[in-house]
Amino acid sequence: EPEVTQTPSHQVTQMGQEVILRCVPISNHLYFYWYRQILGQKVEFLVSFYNNEISEKSEIFDDQFSVERPDGSNFTLKIRSTKLEDSAMYFCASSLVGGGDWNGYTFGSGTRLTVV
Amino acid sequence: QKEVEQNSGPLSVPEGAIASLNCTYSDRGSQSFFWYRQYSGKSPELIMSIYSNGDKEDGRFTAQLNKASQYVSLLIRDSQPSDSATYLCAVNTGNTDKLIFGTGTRLQVFP
Repeated sequence: EPEVTQTPSHQVTQMGQEVILRCVPISNHLYFYWYRQILGQKVEFLVSFYNNEISEKSEIFDDQFSVERPDGSNFTLKIRSTKLEDSAMYFCASSLVGGGDWNGYTFGSGTRLTVV
Repeated sequence: QKEVEQNSGPLSVPEGAIASLNCTYSDRGSQSFFWYRQYSGKSPELIMSIYSNGDKEDGRFTAQLNKASQYVSLLIRDSQPSDSATYLCAVNTGNTDKLIFGTGTRLQVFP
């Protein structure tokens, strides 16, 4: 079964440093997403991406965050200057279709980001 | 603020019993509803989706939707210890691609 692949599985970084989380969505999918889950809390939407641009973002996704699909296969989330409160599990997801006519996402296995 | 509410649990059921998990949502315009299973430290795994009022069955799982009451539930028949996980309810309002998740209900199935 096709998978969404995320690397690294665990990243430790110092506060203020930049991190890039990487995802390889399922090859024929067109819609891409990042979610995060702080330990013990709910899964929260960060951003959706379609046709090489952001289609929606949450209030969490401020100027410190950016996304990119640099080469047609990878989908990256960059956090420019990490804060302690950015420590969370970050999930990438992809779907073939978007909007109302779809069947949910396939999530990747996640990257655990620890900011120290 | 659009909300999805779930009882955090834990819900403890004996092996072989029916586990009943419930979820309410605040946005009356919500159109798509999903149940995800999440094992500790792992990513959410889609187990059921439902779009219309009524029941939808898939193996041991039955999703139930009542849009008038803004209520969606998941029944797990013949519960197994391997079903022990957190079950996340997620809702899509239809004019967006994002899912709004509940905090999840932790299910414990004991032998």
